[in-house]
Amino acid sequence: GDSVTQMEGPVTLSEEAFLTINCTYTATGYPSLFWYVQYPGEGLQLLLKATKADDKGSNKGFEATYRKETTSFHLEKGSVQVSDSAVYFCALSVNNAGNMLTFGGGTRLMVKP
Amino acid sequence: GAVVSQHPSWVICKSGTSVKIECRSLDFQATTMFWYRQFPKQSLMLMATSNEGSKATYEQGVEKDKFLINHASLTLSTLTVTSAHPEDSSFYICSAFGQKDGYTFGSGTRLTVV
Repeated sequence: GDSVTQMEGPVTLSEEAFLTINCTYTATGYPSLFWYVQYPGEGLQLLLKATKADDKGSNKGFEATYRKETTSFHLEKGSVQVSDSAVYFCALSVNNAGNMLTFGGGTRLMVKP
Repeated sequence: GAVVSQHPSWVICKSGTSVKIECRSLDFQATTMFWYRQFPKQSLMLMATSNEGSKATYEQGVEKDKFLINHASLTLSTLTVTSAHPEDSSFYICSAFGQKDGYTFGSGTRLTVV
């Protein structure tokens, strides 16, 4: 079956540090890949996505590249801010046509001033 | 962008009572809606998938008689937790899929059963 594995947290960084959150996947078909962010007590917000190999999704300084050869979709940001503190979820959907999203376990990021 | 309204955002109920959670797509028609449950510091667990006008498809281990899902229109799905018990306390999140914007999530409902 489909699965998503992401690095366990919490990840604790100082403000302006470089962020990487690793995400790898296995899928029976050709998936679309997503990163979602969840702030405390809230639902999920789409951060970025990529639908085919070598696509780079980017938003708010975050970016991730769809690497089919390594089945990865690592999230990066060059300089984190305290306001980036949240839980980040990597997810995939095969066909991206209303099929279910398969989520990774989530990675909590804490950014200290 | 697409907006999904989920309410209530939190609810406290007594054991044995039922609670209904609504999920509405405000500016788009949702061909499919999903209901998730999230335990503290854990990932989202898919409970069921619902399509308008048809019965929901429940994931293995989810009691369909306990978690009643109704998807009466292309903009509204409801989850009713029947005869709630403390172990049903959790954070419930809905998601709606639209052709233009893909998956959009509600803001979640925190259910506490006392």
